[in-house]
Amino acid sequence: TQLLEQSPQFLSIQEGENLTVYCNSSSVFSSLQWYRQEPGEGPVLLVTVVTGGEVKKLKRLTFQFGDARKDSSLHITAAQPGDTGLYLCAGGGSNYKLTFGKGTLLTVNP
Amino acid sequence: DSGVTQTPKHLITATGQRVTLRCSPRSGDLSVYWYQQSLDQGLQFLIQYYNGEERAKGNILERFSAQQFPDLHSELNLSSLELGDSALYFCASSVGGKTEAFFGQGTRLTVV
Repeated sequence: TQLLEQSPQFLSIQEGENLTVYCNSSSVFSSLQWYRQEPGEGPVLLVTVVTGGEVKKLKRLTFQFGDARKDSSLHITAAQPGDTGLYLCAGGGSNYKLTFGKGTLLTVNP
Repeated sequence: DSGVTQTPKHLITATGQRVTLRCSPRSGDLSVYWYQQSLDQGLQFLIQYYNGEERAKGNILERFSAQQFPDLHSELNLSSLELGDSALYFCASSVGGKTEAFFGQGTRLTVV
């Protein structure tokens, strides 16, 4: 069974701070997605990384896929209250299903 | 708006009952996925359909079943409901077999 562990589970920071959240597994994934979920809503896709070592930037968010395609990180620069939400990573396998981590609940205080 | 529509948004039912959750995927998407989200278990994959056929199965209980119809909408049937089945149920769709999924807003099921 492929498992994804996310850390930290909870993170509360002040506006303007930087942060990094992690997604780790002992399994290799063909792709890794990051989603953000707000209360009462479904997860929204932020990015997909497919190549080991790949780095993608989305405004103040930087996503990195580990060289061995077993882990990923999400770095947010100068966090804003609008970044508040549950950040989920998901690994794609050969059978097209997504395996999700339990998420990091981020709160950015004004 | 992801383009994935789920109905109903909220559902309250008693233990032992049966309910049906409905999902309409994004236009053109052939794959439909069902997920269950609870506070302690996170987002759990239940089942995937591709163009009407079951493609992958996850942690889906025998009391649960799903199907995808010729018009590509999907239904998740939950029977003999238990208190522990209370959760958010999400449907997602994707183009073909790609794993980038677009989620609906979910159905919040409460079993009392």
